[in-house]
Amino acid sequence: GAVVSQHPSWVICKSGTSVKIECRSLDFQATTMFWYRQFPKQSLMLMATSNEGSKATYEQGVEKDKFLINHASLTLSTLTVTSAHPEDSSFYICSASGGGAGYGYTFGSGTRLTVV
Amino acid sequence: GDSVTQMEGPVTLSEEAFLTINCTYTATGYPSLFWYVQYPGEGLQLLLKATKADDKGSNKGFEATYRKETTSFHLEKGSVQVSDSAVYFCALYGSSNTGKLIFGQGTTLQVKP
Repeated sequence: GAVVSQHPSWVICKSGTSVKIECRSLDFQATTMFWYRQFPKQSLMLMATSNEGSKATYEQGVEKDKFLINHASLTLSTLTVTSAHPEDSSFYICSASGGGAGYGYTFGSGTRLTVV
Repeated sequence: GDSVTQMEGPVTLSEEAFLTINCTYTATGYPSLFWYVQYPGEGLQLLLKATKADDKGSNKGFEATYRKETTSFHLEKGSVQVSDSAVYFCALYGSSNTGKLIFGQGTTLQVKP
């Protein structure tokens, strides 16, 4: 079945530094990937839609300069949290669909970011 | 716009009890409907799906039927296990969503031995 690999699974960084999270589709090509943020005991908040070879589309209220998204190939999308602050601490999850939305989306295992 | 509403949790059950988690939706056209499960500290896993009215999705003893007349997609399992303890998300993909999944707020299930 479709597999999405997300790395790292957890990361601790100092305030002011940048962190990159990778999302790879291992056995299918994903022209579109999605990045979500999840707060404790809450649902997923869509941050942006990542399209291969073009600029990401950000949801309202998401700072595009803080959350840089790059989708350089059909199997890799990255999310970089720039100049991280403690309020950026969260669980970040990516997803992708290789067979069209009707087949469901495959999610990565998530990245727990803690900014100290 | 499209939306999904789930019953509030947490839902606490004893092992082997019957489970129902309600999910209703609002959407134009004929959306595809999904249930995802999230275990602690992990991403989401697709549990089951249905793409048209009256379809029944099933997996691992869970099932849900796409009811267009009541705009519902309730999740059921006849006998839950402790290992089913997780957060369950109902979601839809509609023709107007431009590729986005719309999630419900999630329902936490706790199964006690």
